[in-house]
Amino acid sequence: DAGVIQSPRHEVTEMGQEVTLRCKPISGHDYLFWYRQTMMRGLELLIYFNNNVPIDDSGMPEDRFSAKMPNASFSTLKIQPSEPRDSAVYFCASTPGGGGQGRNNEQFFGPGTRLTVL
Amino acid sequence: ILNVEQSPQSLHVQEGDSTNFTCSFPSSNFYALHWYRWETAKSPEALFVMTLNGDEKKKGRISATLNTKEGYSYLYIKGSQPEDSATYLCAFNFNTNAGKSTFGDGTTLTVKP
Repeated sequence: DAGVIQSPRHEVTEMGQEVTLRCKPISGHDYLFWYRQTMMRGLELLIYFNNNVPIDDSGMPEDRFSAKMPNASFSTLKIQPSEPRDSAVYFCASTPGGGGQGRNNEQFFGPGTRLTVL
Repeated sequence: ILNVEQSPQSLHVQEGDSTNFTCSFPSSNFYALHWYRWETAKSPEALFVMTLNGDEKKKGRISATLNTKEGYSYLYIKGSQPEDSATYLCAFNFNTNAGKSTFGDGTTLTVKP
């Protein structure tokens, strides 16, 4: 398996523009997570899905952020309109889930998208 | 409130030194505890997963222990090398929502040659 795939790897945009980040989880994984890494707040969970259904979006900063998972192999995180304070590295991760302890909960991270909003 | 705390926040050691860090988590409703290694400009990668009180895991010079009754895990690095420089994250799974991991803020290790 290719692992978790994210695109684009780098995105530079201007304030007010719409930004869409994409993620393809590992095939067969039941959970998908979106994280944001900033200097101030470390690794911050934004939202996660179980079997394509959003379970907890309490970490989404505000209404400018939205996420979808239309099928088991694709998710998007959208920021509209973007602001300079949204500049960060955004990680997508997936987890097998299912029964049993241990490795079923291990998170497999994508390479991240570095977003810069000017 | 579920808290996962790691200490110290950062650590600077000389090459060859052995070191250890701590992850503290709630001692009730334990499901699993993970350690991840996160190198600069890369993404976190799993080191260990531990599920039973008293678990000990080892990978080369790195090892980890788990005490679920008192709610802590230690990560040890023997004979640190510059390539061990990274942020080490622990993550806790709560048994009522085992799919989600709660991450600590990490311990950033710098090993000087």
